[in-house]
Amino acid sequence: GENVEQHPSTLSVQEGDSAVIKCTYSDSASNYFPWYKQELGKRPQLIIDIRSNVGEKKDQRIAVTLNKTAKHFSLHITETQPEDSAVYFCAASRDSGYALNFGKGTSLLVTP
Amino acid sequence: GAVVSQHPSWVICKSGTSVKIECRSLDFQATTMFWYRQFPKQSLMLMATSNEGSKATYEQGVEKDKFLINHASLTLSTLTVTSAHPEDSSFYICSADSRTGGSEKLFFGSGTQLSVL
Repeated sequence: GENVEQHPSTLSVQEGDSAVIKCTYSDSASNYFPWYKQELGKRPQLIIDIRSNVGEKKDQRIAVTLNKTAKHFSLHITETQPEDSAVYFCAASRDSGYALNFGKGTSLLVTP
Repeated sequence: GAVVSQHPSWVICKSGTSVKIECRSLDFQATTMFWYRQFPKQSLMLMATSNEGSKATYEQGVEKDKFLINHASLTLSTLTVTSAHPEDSSFYICSADSRTGGSEKLFFGSGTQLSVL
């Protein structure tokens, strides 16, 4: 089955700096790679996703890159703000709408 | 986006009792629903895949007789934790496949925090 590894497990940055979270996956059949933000006790919120036919996608301060050959993808958050503090999960699946295999999460802390 | 309603949001029960969690898709029909479990400070682990009108498919290590899943309609799936024990205390969350237009196809419920005393 799919195995998704995520690093780092914790990340602390100063407000305004960039944050990068990296994930690798094992199943070459995976084609859909979403990123979720989860606050304590709440449901995961989709913040950005990318499919295997695209190498990079950007939405304002958030970007995701995908290297399908190397089976890794990364989340980049620029100009971080304290409200970006949360746990971020990467995930992989065959396609959107299929069961997701999640990474172990990264606890991001943005200090003012 | 599509809305998935999950109830209850939290429940406290005594050891040995059963707890039912409901997951409803409010504005779309969900052929498939997924149930996840999340222990504190850990990731979401897929427990089972629920297809309307058929038996759920359980992930390895998940006891199907303990975690009963029913998906009797296209808008409702239920997870019953039978004879709950303290080690079953966790955050349970469902997600539904909307199969509608738009890039996001999987929508999460708000989760249920189960505490077994």
